[in-house]
Amino acid sequence: SAVISQKPSRDICQRGTSLTIQCQVDSQVTMMFWYRQQPGQSLTLIATANQGSEATYESGFVIDKFPISRPNLTFSTLTVSNMSPEDSSIYLCSVGQVSYNEQFFGPGTRLTVL
Amino acid sequence: AQSVSQHNHHVILSEAASLELGCNYSYGGTVNLFWYVQYPGQHLQLLLKYFSGDPLVKGIKGFEAEFIKSKFSFNLRKPSVQWSDTAEYFCAVNADTGKLIFGQGTTLQVKP
Repeated sequence: SAVISQKPSRDICQRGTSLTIQCQVDSQVTMMFWYRQQPGQSLTLIATANQGSEATYESGFVIDKFPISRPNLTFSTLTVSNMSPEDSSIYLCSVGQVSYNEQFFGPGTRLTVL
Repeated sequence: AQSVSQHNHHVILSEAASLELGCNYSYGGTVNLFWYVQYPGQHLQLLLKYFSGDPLVKGIKGFEAEFIKSKFSFNLRKPSVQWSDTAEYFCAVNADTGKLIFGQGTTLQVKP
């Protein structure tokens, strides 16, 4: 299994600002993903972070709102742009070695937007 | 589209009671199936997984799950729950898209 860290662990932000969340893995991994877990709900995949190319976004999520970077095989960032209270969620990074294999999750970033 | 349905949203049991959490998925092809657990204040952890072979899989902490292909089900079971099993449980499916699709989650509360 991989050890995954996320920064920040939580933040309170003002409407209209942006927050960048970092995900660091202790070993090289093929797949990195970003999920959102809204209060009282399940996890929803935002996008697959592709190393060296643009992320692959799921329906309902766009690059302008959630730009993602993945400069190497151990690191990725997710930015939540122009935030509104509806963006208040837990954002989770997950990793896997191949597409169909199990995924390991980071501790999450709890975001509150006022 | 693929989907995962967990029938029980909130389950309350007394210690030593038996547990079964239902999970059904919609997808006609080959799937990999998972149960994840999220204990209070902790991050999501893998409880058990099914890729192929014996449809009865055993996971950590005495949990097991049975894959019934004809019913598109992957129910989670434990013969005797403990107070420490209080957590949120998520069923997930990973099909040929390579993406994990999660169910809505089941909150399990075990009373001491």
